[in-house]
Amino acid sequence: AQTVTQSQPEMSVQEAETVTLSCTYDTSESDYYLFWYKQPPSRQMILVIRQEAYKQQNATENRFSVNFQKAAKSFSLKISDSQLGDAAMYFCAYRDAYSGAGSYQLTFGKGTKLSVIP
Amino acid sequence: DADVTQTPRNRITKTGKRIMLECSQTKGHDRMYWYRQDPGLGLRLIYYSFDVKDINKGEISDGYSVSRQAQAKFSLSLESAIPNQTALYFCATSDWIPAGGNYNEQFFGPGTRLTVL
Repeated sequence: AQTVTQSQPEMSVQEAETVTLSCTYDTSESDYYLFWYKQPPSRQMILVIRQEAYKQQNATENRFSVNFQKAAKSFSLKISDSQLGDAAMYFCAYRDAYSGAGSYQLTFGKGTKLSVIP
Repeated sequence: DADVTQTPRNRITKTGKRIMLECSQTKGHDRMYWYRQDPGLGLRLIYYSFDVKDINKGEISDGYSVSRQAQAKFSLSLESAIPNQTALYFCATSDWIPAGGNYNEQFFGPGTRLTVL
């Protein structure tokens, strides 16, 4: 079974600075999707960024970018110019591209709580 | 209006009571999911449904049941609630486009916080 590991339960960053959240995963599949979700205090799960394993280019969405290292099975999230509104739990998630009779379920990491210091 | 709605948003109940959490969506997606979130554990899949006639158990289905009343509605029931079912529950939906390159991302409802005393 696939597993997702987020090794940093909590992190903090100064406003306007850059922070990187780590995520590693384990899979025997060659094609899959990776996601970062943000969960603010409102508890809504918000998709931040996504990456397909077959795409070499790292995904970027405004201030959010990823460093996808397929061989190392690593998928870190970089937040540039951190803002107070970035404070939240961040979850890394994995999904097989082709799961046959499977669920296409998301497998989540345990999350990283990010605090932004004014 | 929200695309995925959950009712109730918060619920406190007692051990042994039957409780139903409801999920509705206007996204037109066939696939619906129920997840449970516990502090420090991330989200775990309880049940999922590919369409009205196709319901499947997820990672942690014991103690739960579901009903897919229509394409747009997917309910989660706790037949006899127990305190360790206290958690945040999320419903999610997704499209399914089998061709490569389609993320078929899941869209989440706002969550239901359930407390079992």
